Amino acid sequence: QVQLQESGPGLVKPSETLSLTCSVSGGSISGYYWSWIRQPPGKGLEWIAYISHSGSPNYNPSLKSRVTISVDTSKNQLSLKLTSVTAADTAVFYCARARGARSSFDSWGQGTLVTVSS
Amino acid sequence: EIVLTQSPGALSLSPGERATLSCRASQSVSSTYLGWYQQKPGQAPRLLIYGASSRATGIPDRFSGSGSGTDFTLSISRLEPEDFAVYYCQQYGSSPYTFGQGTKLEIK
Repeated sequence: QVQLQESGPGLVKPSETLSLTCSVSGGSISGYYWSWIRQPPGKGLEWIAYISHSGSPNYNPSLKSRVTISVDTSKNQLSLKLTSVTAADTAVFYCARARGARSSFDSWGQGTLVTVSS
Repeated sequence: EIVLTQSPGALSLSPGERATLSCRASQSVSSTYLGWYQQKPGQAPRLLIYGASSRATGIPDRFSGSGSGTDFTLSISRLEPEDFAVYYCQQYGSSPYTFGQGTKLEIK
């Protein structure tokens, strides 16, 4: 069974870049679509972006100017970069798998909390 | 952007009762692209229903989904103690993919 594990700094300073990695084990990153989703503390879910194994990204317009998503098939990893962060970007960040561009998220990582604070 | 509005915001029921959760879309969503997730405190969401009515792998048959167009429903026929959680609907047919704000199912 596939497992997803997010990793990265738990604390980022305002105006800096948030960088996260999602490591995929128990299955190949190829053949699927991979998303990042975030959830501010006590609030709902927001889809950030997805990318296919071949590297075609799709971004949420609300974040598009600040977000880069990438995939490294050799490492079976997914990455997220979010620039110019503010306190409003404080959230639990999840990576998730979908079987296609327009498919539900059938596997999720456990999530990683990133706090933006000086 | 398709806005999903869930109701009620919170629902208090007892184990054994039936729960009915609603998700209304700001514009028509193909039933192929509507899903439901369950989230417990400190955990990631878990896929329950995809394609509006298909249960995901390992999901008990007390969970069922229905609806079309702009109105969708998640039903839980007989609530078990482990069903008390927050439930989100999501549309993944039109980018940006969006989630409802959630319905919190509480023990009465």
